[in-house]
Amino acid sequence: AQSVTQPDIHITVSEGASLELRCNYSYGATPYLFWYVQSPGQGLQLLLKYFSGDTLVQGIKGFEAEFKRSQSSFNLRKPSVHWSDAAEYFCAVGAGGTALIFGKGTTLSVSS
Amino acid sequence: EPEVTQTPSHQVTQMGQEVILRCVPISNHLYFYWYRQILGQKVEFLVSFYNNEISEKSEIFDDQFSVERPDGSNFTLKIRSTKLEDSAMYFCASSEQGTNQPQHFGDGTRLSIL
Repeated sequence: AQSVTQPDIHITVSEGASLELRCNYSYGATPYLFWYVQSPGQGLQLLLKYFSGDTLVQGIKGFEAEFKRSQSSFNLRKPSVHWSDAAEYFCAVGAGGTALIFGKGTTLSVSS
Repeated sequence: EPEVTQTPSHQVTQMGQEVILRCVPISNHLYFYWYRQILGQKVEFLVSFYNNEISEKSEIFDDQFSVERPDGSNFTLKIRSTKLEDSAMYFCASSEQGTNQPQHFGDGTRLSIL
């Protein structure tokens, strides 16, 4: 069955430091991959998506993610974190149907 | 930017009662979805809807649940005879197409069953 694993439940990063959030997926064919962000009391906002082609994809708010088929990973990165980036981040995979399968999420805290 | 809107933002209901959660998807989108997120757990797919029919549903979406597009703009989730374990955040989403598409989410309805 398709699944998404986000190994880190909670990460704290200093403001201005770089960020990498990990995501591993399990799916037999080429996956469609997404990162969403959820601020408190808000819905899920799409940060970026990977369908095919260039394995490094750019998203909104300065985020990028790299698809590595050999590692079944789709890690999210940002070179310099801002306090407003504090939120919960969800990795999701589209596994051939209409449903998105989500990971459990990583909560990002930003320290000053 | 167009967005998905959900009402109400918070619904409190007695166990055993019926509840209807409402959503207005983005106007030119053709696929509509419901997801739920139990506190502290992952976002789970419930159902997708296209052309006035259920396209796909999960094991969670049993006979207690139903969806409807009563008019050209609204999309509803009905939960009959609510149980305590139905307490969760319910998200509506929509997309232009169906398979493997980015979905645009509303802010959710927090459902509390007493």
